[in-house]
Amino acid sequence: DGGITQSPKYLFRKEGQNVTLSCEQNLNHDAMYWYRQDPGQGLRLIYYSQIVNDFQKGDIAEGYSVSREKKESFPLTVTSAQKNPTAFYLCASSQGSSGELFFGEGSRLTVL
Amino acid sequence: GENVEQHPSTLSVQEGDSAVIKCTYSDSASNYFPWYKQELGKRPQLIIDIRSNVGEKKDQRIAVTLNKTAKHFSLHITETQPEDSAVYFCSRTALIFGKGTTLSVSS
Repeated sequence: DGGITQSPKYLFRKEGQNVTLSCEQNLNHDAMYWYRQDPGQGLRLIYYSQIVNDFQKGDIAEGYSVSREKKESFPLTVTSAQKNPTAFYLCASSQGSSGELFFGEGSRLTVL
Repeated sequence: GENVEQHPSTLSVQEGDSAVIKCTYSDSASNYFPWYKQELGKRPQLIIDIRSNVGEKKDQRIAVTLNKTAKHFSLHITETQPEDSAVYFCSRTALIFGKGTTLSVSS
C-alpha cells in the first residue's frame, strides 16, 4: 500500500521538551515537506527537502529542525525554542517541485 | 516575496448552487496551479490542477480557470452537494498556499 505515513497521530508533551515527528514515504518521491496548520492560517511551510542530505527553510522554520538522511524519511523535531508549538503538523511528498502533493494524515501536537 | 491571496475565507451555498473561489498571485515564475480539498479531520487531497499553457480545465462538476494576465486562478464547483463541504486551498507551488476557503453546502 503506497503512501506517506506520519506518526504519532497525537502527541502530548510538557513545555521545554523536544519532540520528533516521523514522516515516511514509499512513493519514491524526491521532494518532501513539512507544514504547520493552524485555524484560519492555511498551510505554512516549515522545511522542505528536494534531495537526500539537503533541505531548505520555509517561512516558519524557527524552533524546528529536520534531517533527510534517507530518501523515504524526513523527520521533524519541534524544539523547546518554538514559542507556540501546539498545532497540527502535515508532511507531504511530491515527485519534483511542480507536481501533486501527497499528504500524510497529520500529527497533532499538544504542549501542556 | 511570493504571495497568494485566497477569497472568500468562508462560503455558504444551498445544494445545487455553484461555488467560486478565487486566488490571486504575485509572481510569474511557476506554471503549476493546483487546488486541494481537505475534509474535516482528513488530509488535503488534490482535486484539480492546471498548467500555465491552458486557460481552463474541467473534471465533471469541478473546473479551474487561469488568467495569467490578471494573475488569478479560480475554482468553480457546479451543482454543489453536501459532500462538497470542506476547506479548499489553492497553491502556487508546494511552498505557498492560500489561507483556505471553508465551503458549507446546506441541503
